[in-house]
Amino acid sequence: GQNIDQPTEMTATEGAIVQINCTYQTSGFNGLFWYQQHAGEAPTFLSYNVLDGLEEKGRFSSFLSRSKGYSYLLLKELQMKDSASYLCAGEDSNYQLIWGAGTKLIIKP
Amino acid sequence: GAVVSQHPSRVICKSGTSVKIECRSLDFQATTMFWYRQFPKQSLMLMATSNEGSKATYEQGVEKDKFLINHASLTLSTLTVTSAHPEDSSFYICSARDGSGRQFFGPGTRLTVL
Repeated sequence: GQNIDQPTEMTATEGAIVQINCTYQTSGFNGLFWYQQHAGEAPTFLSYNVLDGLEEKGRFSSFLSRSKGYSYLLLKELQMKDSASYLCAGEDSNYQLIWGAGTKLIIKP
Repeated sequence: GAVVSQHPSRVICKSGTSVKIECRSLDFQATTMFWYRQFPKQSLMLMATSNEGSKATYEQGVEKDKFLINHASLTLSTLTVTSAHPEDSSFYICSARDGSGRQFFGPGTRLTVL
């Protein structure tokens, strides 16, 4: 079956670093997306990984290991506005997204 | 980055009426658009995949006669909720896929059926 697993909730301190992990099983695999979703809003695109390795984009980086079915989103220099849900989604061979339930990230001062 | 708009952003209607939601890709052509529904505190649920010029593909459990999808052009898809009932109240979100395969989401439409 197809499945995406990520932690339900994480807590981190302002200014620190946090890593949100995601493991996936999909029918075929094209790539992996990370989205940020603030409460009551639609998701916003963060990253799309197709190849193995780390892709850095400002304070956010995303890593993919296709052989391990594993990805993580790394957030550095955390700010209060980073409090949100972070959604991991695997793209299967039919180009459809298989969504994780999201990780609620709570940032404390 | 690519922008996707939705209209209206919020709608309140009486039970039994129909509501049309528009989804537009503003600065790119989208051969494929997706319609999602999100209930409070739940994950996004794909309702249907809409390809320009062809019939939409609905996910299991989604009534195609109730949720009418029209993808008339490369920049516009519409979702019509026919004969809406209170249980249809939800957050409806569209997304559009660009040429590189990335999906960009619209801001969502909050539907409340009284």
